[in-house]
Amino acid sequence: GAGVSQSPRYKVAKRGQDVALRCDPISGHVSLFWYQQALGQGPEFLTYFQNEAQLDKSGLPSDRFFAERPEGSVSTLKIQRTQQEDSAVYLCASSSGQGGPLYYEQYFGPGTRLTVT
Amino acid sequence: AQSVTQLGSHVSVSEGALVLLRCNYSSSVPPYLFWYVQYPNQGLQLLLKYTSAATLVKGINGFEAEFKKSETSFHLTKPSAHMSDAAEYFCAVSEPVSGNTPLVFGKGTRLSVIA
Repeated sequence: GAGVSQSPRYKVAKRGQDVALRCDPISGHVSLFWYQQALGQGPEFLTYFQNEAQLDKSGLPSDRFFAERPEGSVSTLKIQRTQQEDSAVYLCASSSGQGGPLYYEQYFGPGTRLTVT
Repeated sequence: AQSVTQLGSHVSVSEGALVLLRCNYSSSVPPYLFWYVQYPNQGLQLLLKYTSAATLVKGINGFEAEFKKSETSFHLTKPSAHMSDAAEYFCAVSEPVSGNTPLVFGKGTRLSVIA
């Protein structure tokens, strides 16, 4: 299909609610990244999948954040008991490669803007 | 640890003037370097990348950047600004240990183009 898609595009949650953000990568892309972009800041890495394996989750800010990619395609980022500091744009990116000396371009989705009230 | 510093959170230029957006990086190994552009309510689009080939890199929309190891810089330039260039620009770095390492971004520079 086209590019990386994310849904919903906008989400408003009350503090304490759980949210789930979806990412549909480009078909056939092996690698998938999640980034968090706070207002006025650059994106910051959250977690990385290669196929269904979560190889790096060092950027997840707390144990309230959880990501999965059970079949190696669609990924979901879940935030439990949302807090105001979770308000940000959550970006998903996918790339075709799975390591080695070559560079594989990351293609970004439009993001989900989460506002916690 | 890698880091990126973008000098100037906001740059304003006149239409037709030179665009210069500054980026300095810190990395323990020779890095890969990138410039991305972000339009309002859209994702990031890759403008250009340096992956240890030619140090002068040409990208889309007339942008180019030069990797200067001695200055640890990767500044973005365009000879003549267009109104459509108004957007947020991010410099990013990654380690070329493998093809898929997370990108480390700067805080961004918002470019305004004045008619």
